[in-house]
Amino acid sequence: GAGVSQSPSNKVTEKGKDVELRCDPISGHTALYWYRQSLGQGLEFLIYFQGNSAPDKSGLPSDRFSAERTGGSVSTLTIQRTQQEDSAVYLCASSKPPGQVGGGANVLTFGAGSRLTVL
Amino acid sequence: RKEVEQDPGPFNVPEGATVAFNCTYSNSASQSFFWYRQDCRKEPKLLMSVYSSGNEDGRFTAQLNRASQYISLLIRDSKLSDSATYLCVVNQAGTALIFGKGTTLSVSS
Repeated sequence: GAGVSQSPSNKVTEKGKDVELRCDPISGHTALYWYRQSLGQGLEFLIYFQGNSAPDKSGLPSDRFSAERTGGSVSTLTIQRTQQEDSAVYLCASSKPPGQVGGGANVLTFGAGSRLTVL
Repeated sequence: RKEVEQDPGPFNVPEGATVAFNCTYSNSASQSFFWYRQDCRKEPKLLMSVYSSGNEDGRFTAQLNRASQYISLLIRDSKLSDSATYLCVVNQAGTALIFGKGTTLSVSS
């Protein structure tokens, strides 16, 4: 697609429920990142995919958080048994593979984010 | 020690002013450096990459000092539209990009 697409744009859920957030990166972008941003805070790194594998998942806050990517494209971030502190905007970004003409291997294009509110 | 540190500000300046932001990073193996801009309740967008030799894009100048492990962003002739949060971004090859918490700039008329 033309840009990074995230869904849902807004999600309100009750504490204890599971949620799934989806990211559809730019076509041809092999790297995909998940970050989250709490109100008034900076971007917190969660997980990074290169293709379908996740070389760095060090930012996942707990085992309630998991992510997968299939076909080198769409990624889903799943939060189980949501807690109020999980409330944040979850941002997905993608970038070109290294070595591509025109560079841009580490230049991230972000989606508009999924705003999660846990009541 | 945080990986990427920025003065959160806010920096409040009048139109036409020159303002500079600094950012320090802790990992000496870092290889790529960027400045992103984030408007209120929007996603971050790339402002400019930072090259070892320094680079300029119109009113914006970015510089890298590897020895001291800091990056700077200079904005000349500030415009009202420059009001935003500026994020310093650093990474090593093959790892995730790490964002600073951002420096908030408010330009007033």
